Amino acid sequence: GAGVSQSPSNKVTEKGKDVELRCDPISGHTALYWYRQSLGQGLEFLIYFQGNSAPDKSGLPSDRFSAERTGGSVSTLTIQRTQQEDSAVYLCASSQGGLAPNGYTFGSGTRLTVV
Amino acid sequence: QKEVEQDPGPLSVPEGAIVSLNCTYSNSAFQYFMWYRQYSRKGPELLMYTYSSGNKEDGRFTAQVDKSSKYISLFIRDSQPSDSATYLCAMTGGNKLVFGAGTILRVKS
Repeated sequence: GAGVSQSPSNKVTEKGKDVELRCDPISGHTALYWYRQSLGQGLEFLIYFQGNSAPDKSGLPSDRFSAERTGGSVSTLTIQRTQQEDSAVYLCASSQGGLAPNGYTFGSGTRLTVV
Repeated sequence: QKEVEQDPGPLSVPEGAIVSLNCTYSNSAFQYFMWYRQYSRKGPELLMYTYSSGNKEDGRFTAQVDKSSKYISLFIRDSQPSDSATYLCAMTGGNKLVFGAGTILRVKS
């Protein structure tokens, strides 16, 4: 597609349940990022994938969070045993890689609410 | 202390006003400086980016970077109601973008 696609757009889950969030990047983009946006907190880096290299997981807040990227394309962010503090908008972005930021494109995000 | 500081606002101005949005940062390794605009329930979209110090102009928008002061600004001239959004500064020196908290801007007609 023309842009970065994320699904679902909204997710309400009960505390303690696992959730999976999906990101379809722009075709041909080798780099993929996950960020979390909480109210008034800006965007918090979670994880970065670049081609076949080992992902940069330095932003994952706990071992309940994991992500994978299959075939260098679609990525799934999994949150196990969700807690109320996990409620946020989870944003995915893709780019052609490298330092220059002009190629970063964000999806519209998944709004996660843990009740 | 956060790496990037940005006043969350909200900032409310009348239509036609000049708007000044600012961020300060602490990491001298940052090389690229960006401004993103985010409408409600949408992902951020890139407005402008600059490399190192200096000014860059694009239509009604001007971005300024002062690396000696670790201070960046975005100016919006002749502001319009359609400019009402959250403006996020971001910067990078490596693989990831580091964002400010975002400033909510409201332009009243």
